[in-house]
Amino acid sequence: RKEVEQDPGPFNVPEGATVAFNCTYSNSASQSFFWYRQDCRKEPKLLMSVYSSGNEDGRFTAQLNRASQYISLLIRDSKLSDSATYLCVVNILPFSGGYNKLIFGAGTRLAVHP
Amino acid sequence: EPEVTQTPSHQVTQMGQEVILRCVPISNHLYFYWYRQILGQKVEFLVSFYNNEISEKSEIFDDQFSVERPDGSNFTLKIRSTKLEDSAMYFCASREDAGSTEAFFGQGTRLTVV
Repeated sequence: RKEVEQDPGPFNVPEGATVAFNCTYSNSASQSFFWYRQDCRKEPKLLMSVYSSGNEDGRFTAQLNRASQYISLLIRDSKLSDSATYLCVVNILPFSGGYNKLIFGAGTRLAVHP
Repeated sequence: EPEVTQTPSHQVTQMGQEVILRCVPISNHLYFYWYRQILGQKVEFLVSFYNNEISEKSEIFDDQFSVERPDGSNFTLKIRSTKLEDSAMYFCASREDAGSTEAFFGQGTRLTVV
């Protein structure tokens, strides 16, 4: 089983639509969670961290369900500029300490059209 | 805003040659990473580095790869004898700590092995 799995997409939506992305993770040592955005041939950039209580940043809402090992991202009122690949990222930090690493999902492509 | 810088932006090398990819992490960060992304594929973890030593490495990071922080500011990835399948975008990242803080990525070095 992959450590981080996402809907592959692509999602093709009109401007103004609401779109939701899902992500599941398998490693119980996962400690913190993020959504990154990656534009074509560019580096990943943080969109938002994901907190247990859920959090919102403008049109973006992230949810975390630790029991189900599930993370989601909701984008409301989609803009053309939201077109990108959205990466679910999990920070693996064993309780014994030591190493840590960020593991990326394969990403979900979003294309917003006029 | 502080940023991670990588050089060169693009490197073309012949198969079997050694390459060194350079990164300057954000100055107060303590954790450093290399990732690679083959065109059209996911971002893959290579190695994490803390306190002047490797803290974890993936299966991809075999004996052909090495990392170094020679002078307290640069963080380098060396590939000793490049193969065609090493062609990819290589991203350097740094974080302030190992927990909930985001990782900042450099703009990447596109390595093309011919």
